[in-house]
Amino acid sequence: GAVVSQHPSRVICKSGTSVKIECRSLDFQATTMFWYRQFPKQSLMLMATSNEGSKATYEQGVEKDKFLINHASLTLSTLTVTSAHPEDSSFYICSARGGVYEQYFGPGTRLTVT
Amino acid sequence: GQNIDQPTEMTATEGAIVQINCTYQTSGFNGLFWYQQHAGEAPTFLSYNVLDGLEEKGRFSSFLSRSKGYSYLLLKELQMKDSASYLCAVRDTVGAPPGGSYIPTFGRGTSLIVHP
Repeated sequence: GAVVSQHPSRVICKSGTSVKIECRSLDFQATTMFWYRQFPKQSLMLMATSNEGSKATYEQGVEKDKFLINHASLTLSTLTVTSAHPEDSSFYICSARGGVYEQYFGPGTRLTVT
Repeated sequence: GQNIDQPTEMTATEGAIVQINCTYQTSGFNGLFWYQQHAGEAPTFLSYNVLDGLEEKGRFSSFLSRSKGYSYLLLKELQMKDSASYLCAVRDTVGAPPGGSYIPTFGRGTSLIVHP
């Protein structure tokens, strides 16, 4: 099946700094990728839809200036958490749409802001 | 949008059968997914139902009743490795652009604990 990778898998950063998370589709081209955030024992919450070559579409309540998304190619989307705060600590997961209905998820990135 | 409800936690014995229910309310239904998620990992796709009835795939089966807004995931011959969170996700047609690109909404997940 299709493979989606994320890097890094874990990152610890200090308050006020920025962190970039990469999402790659390894063996297929993804014109659309999705970024989710998941807090412990909570559901996956869609943050934004990333479209190759155009601006991302953010869900209501997600600050686009804080969570910068760039989908520079058909295999790479990046999420940059700017001016990170401890409350941004979470599990960030990307996915790429494949076929008619399937989503292929990356392994996730655990962000801890100290 | 959707309102998705599933039990928070379930426990079962190795070798047994367990049924995880999911109810939903949506304006325009366009498919229901089940995903398995182990702690600290990304979800993996289990099943997709868009028509009423039972879909069987090995030890896992998924059932859908659109008129009742109800689905269940049935796990047979439980194994310890089946201990995980099971996420129900529903896709609707509201707000979808022409040609599709429907994004499912996830429920909170059901944490299944399988014990010896």
